[in-house]
Amino acid sequence: GEDVEQSLFLSAREGDSSVINCTYTDSSSTYLYWYKQEPGAGLQLLTYIFSNMDMKQDQRLTVLLNKKDKHLSLRIADTQTGDSAIYFCAEKRGGADGLTFGKGTHLIIQP
Amino acid sequence: DTGVSQDPRHKITKRGQNVTFRCDPISEHNRLYWYRQTLGQGPEFLTYFQNEAQLEKSRLLSDRFSAERPKGSFSTLEIQRTEQGDSAMYLCASSPAVEGVNGYTFGSGTRLTVV
Repeated sequence: GEDVEQSLFLSAREGDSSVINCTYTDSSSTYLYWYKQEPGAGLQLLTYIFSNMDMKQDQRLTVLLNKKDKHLSLRIADTQTGDSAIYFCAEKRGGADGLTFGKGTHLIIQP
Repeated sequence: DTGVSQDPRHKITKRGQNVTFRCDPISEHNRLYWYRQTLGQGPEFLTYFQNEAQLEKSRLLSDRFSAERPKGSFSTLEIQRTEQGDSAMYLCASSPAVEGVNGYTFGSGTRLTVV
């Protein structure tokens, strides 16, 4: 399909791990990104992965990339209430200048 | 440099009026992007500048929309004869020439409400 797809909502308890999944569209996408958006704010780049990698770890964040299935995931370890936000997956498609975003996953962390 | 700045933060306008938004990118970034985000959606690409040249425009950018970056620094996005469907958050982003490893730095956006 044409769309970057993400599940709309995810809930977890403080201290647990949360995994946000994304399916992207273009096998020639060079970079894939995860952005975080808090209410009323712009987008904050969390992490990215280059298409020739299959995993990237950055402190509490782990990104997994399955190129065959065009599947990307973001694991947040030891989630805190401050992690509650909307998380967007985005791809940079081959030949395109802008990014193509999913609709975002609302992550709700309960105490 | 404090990041990407957008002005105003909020704009309420009557249908049919013209509005103009400004974006100041990170000074060493030569690429500048405009996106639109409506409620419940991810940002949608509108247009892109490399220095002062506008290199790509989305089909979302109707004839009522025009963007400029006259000196390759700040950019303006003008919407003429606004319609209620133009109500959205307009986001500006900038990146260096090799954007992949740095991603795109977004501003906080201008929220437009057309009444």
